[in-house]
Amino acid sequence: EPEVTQTPSHQVTQMGQEVILRCVPISNHLYFYWYRQILGQKVEFLVSFYNNEISEKSEIFDDQFSVERPDGSNFTLKIRSTKLEDSAMYFCASSPWGAREQYFGPGTRLTVT
Amino acid sequence: AQKVTQAQTEISVVEKEDVTLDCVYETRDTTYYLFWYKQPPSGELVFLIRRNSFDEQNEISGRYSWNFQKSTSSFNFTITASQVVDSAVYFCALSEEAYGGSQGNLIFGKGTKLSVKP
Repeated sequence: EPEVTQTPSHQVTQMGQEVILRCVPISNHLYFYWYRQILGQKVEFLVSFYNNEISEKSEIFDDQFSVERPDGSNFTLKIRSTKLEDSAMYFCASSPWGAREQYFGPGTRLTVT
Repeated sequence: AQKVTQAQTEISVVEKEDVTLDCVYETRDTTYYLFWYKQPPSGELVFLIRRNSFDEQNEISGRYSWNFQKSTSSFNFTITASQVVDSAVYFCALSEEAYGGSQGNLIFGKGTKLSVKP
């Protein structure tokens, strides 16, 4: 069964460094999302992406964040200058046209020291 | 404003007991979608079910069943004859109708941690 994949599974970085989290959505899906989950808390929406542009973003998704679909398969989340409070599990999700459910990847645990 | 409330933070049961996880939602939209996701200890989020606001039929899938009641804005999830493998955090989520280039983001509740003991 096709699934969303994410790399790396764990990333440790120093405050102020840039990180890029990578995702490969399910191949025939058209809508892509990033969510984050701070340890022990609920899952929070960051951004949605469709047709090569951002369709929605939350207050969390400020100028430090950007997303890109550089080719036909990858979907990336970049954090320009990481802060301690960016430490969280970052989930990528995708959904096909006409279906509301989103399929999540296994997540990337980002630790900012 | 949209909101999902899962009042039960943690539930502990013994194997073979039935357990119901509560979910109450708030939305101003007349068209919306409700979901349950499972997050086992390994951390991934597994989609379990979606219900549309215009379809109040309850659903059963094996040991899982869902009770959607618009009158009380609730979408409860029951596991019958629970098993140790059901131990996980369960999230209820809401998505409102969206237009243009969006299918609506998910608003999650805080989750209920279910522990099933042998």
